[in-house]
Amino acid sequence: QQQVKQSPQSLIVQKGGISIINCAYENTAFDYFPWYQQFPGKGPALLIAIRPDVSEKKEGRFTISFNKSAKQFSLHIMDSQPGDSATYFCAAGPGDTGNQFYFGTGTSLTVIP
Amino acid sequence: EPEVTQTPSHQVTQMGQEVILRCVPISNHLYFYWYRQILGQKVEFLVSFYNNEISEKSEIFDDQFSVERPDGSNFTLKIRSTKLEDSAMYFCASTLDYGYTFGSGTRLTVV
Repeated sequence: QQQVKQSPQSLIVQKGGISIINCAYENTAFDYFPWYQQFPGKGPALLIAIRPDVSEKKEGRFTISFNKSAKQFSLHIMDSQPGDSATYFCAAGPGDTGNQFYFGTGTSLTVIP
Repeated sequence: EPEVTQTPSHQVTQMGQEVILRCVPISNHLYFYWYRQILGQKVEFLVSFYNNEISEKSEIFDDQFSVERPDGSNFTLKIRSTKLEDSAMYFCASTLDYGYTFGSGTRLTVV
């Protein structure tokens, strides 16, 4: 059973445009939803995360929108830059530290100049 | 900025051999994890470790796998008898609360 579904698999955006990546989760017990950015040859790096008590969180050009009733959350990258080109993973997990997080399948983002 | 350090960055081993992947988590972190990523696929949980014992493990983490924190700083993953399908990037992660910090990974190639 796939706990976290991510789309699209790949995304090409013009510089300055908005990149949107979507995720849906299954388990209503999940209450921590991070997004990770991964460059080739590197480990995933925590980008931004949200808890279900808020519907939106913004950090610089990155915004998470969260819809608890629909069990969906999305990452918006405003004013996308070529340096944002990377693979993005959403993840979801329970609040208890020490439990695993379930990762989406990843979205390869290419921002063209 | 504190980092999670993994060694080696790349390991090639023959099928059936034992490998040990090493990690130095961030010093004040309490929770430690191993994940793996088969090329081009999603990141998969292997095991979590807290207070010197396994907290949770996945179906992937069978009897061929073991973890250890031998000296209070290193955190190791041992694969006793490697199989071809163990070829993947193995990531160590640590956290104090919720946000993982991942290492850069060890690329394991089983031939």
